[in-house]
Amino acid sequence: DGGITQSPKYLFRKEGQNVTLSCEQNLNHDAMYWYRQDPGQGLRLIYYSQIVNDFQKGDIAEGYSVSREKKESFPLTVTSAQKNPTAFYLCASNPGQGGTEAFFGQGTRLTVV
Amino acid sequence: GQQLNQSPQSMFIQEGEDVSMNCTSSSIFNTWLWYKQDPGEGPVLLIALYKAGELTSNGRLTAQFGITRKDSFLNISASIPSDVGIYFCAGLNMNRDDKIIFGKGTRLHILP
Repeated sequence: DGGITQSPKYLFRKEGQNVTLSCEQNLNHDAMYWYRQDPGQGLRLIYYSQIVNDFQKGDIAEGYSVSREKKESFPLTVTSAQKNPTAFYLCASNPGQGGTEAFFGQGTRLTVV
Repeated sequence: GQQLNQSPQSMFIQEGEDVSMNCTSSSIFNTWLWYKQDPGEGPVLLIALYKAGELTSNGRLTAQFGITRKDSFLNISASIPSDVGIYFCAGLNMNRDDKIIFGKGTRLHILP
């Protein structure tokens, strides 16, 4: 089955530690995205990548880093510089280059204690 | 930056009622997408609109792409309990970049 998979579903980390969230897709999509969602809030774009080995900052990139070494993978690292990392993180992909429907993973809920 | 204004922010309705929500923008989009999100899950695509003036249905859902390309609405007819959730609009302009802009969502509550 084709789809986009985020892991883990729930993640707990101590304050000051870096943590990496996984996002994998087997849809052969060029574009991938990371969004942050806080309770009762909409989706805010962290980073996006239109093609392998290239990515751009979104609206709230500070304290986050990404890589796009493979087409199917777009991991997000939440660094200790992110002041308020506890949130629900969503990954999405889109065919890119004119393909317009974007599909989401199931999300990762990160809690920093 | 680009913004989508989605309204209403929340709705409380009786089961069986029709629902209407909309999104507006100061920017032109050439694609509008509508998603539904259940608690603790990722958003699921409901309807995609690609052409100004387009009206598309998916079961009890109907969405329209505004003629000005700066707005879209979603209607749900004869609401049922499983319609509860958050509905998001999203706009994309593939001539500019692949960045997808989301509204802040409409939270739908259905009263027993």
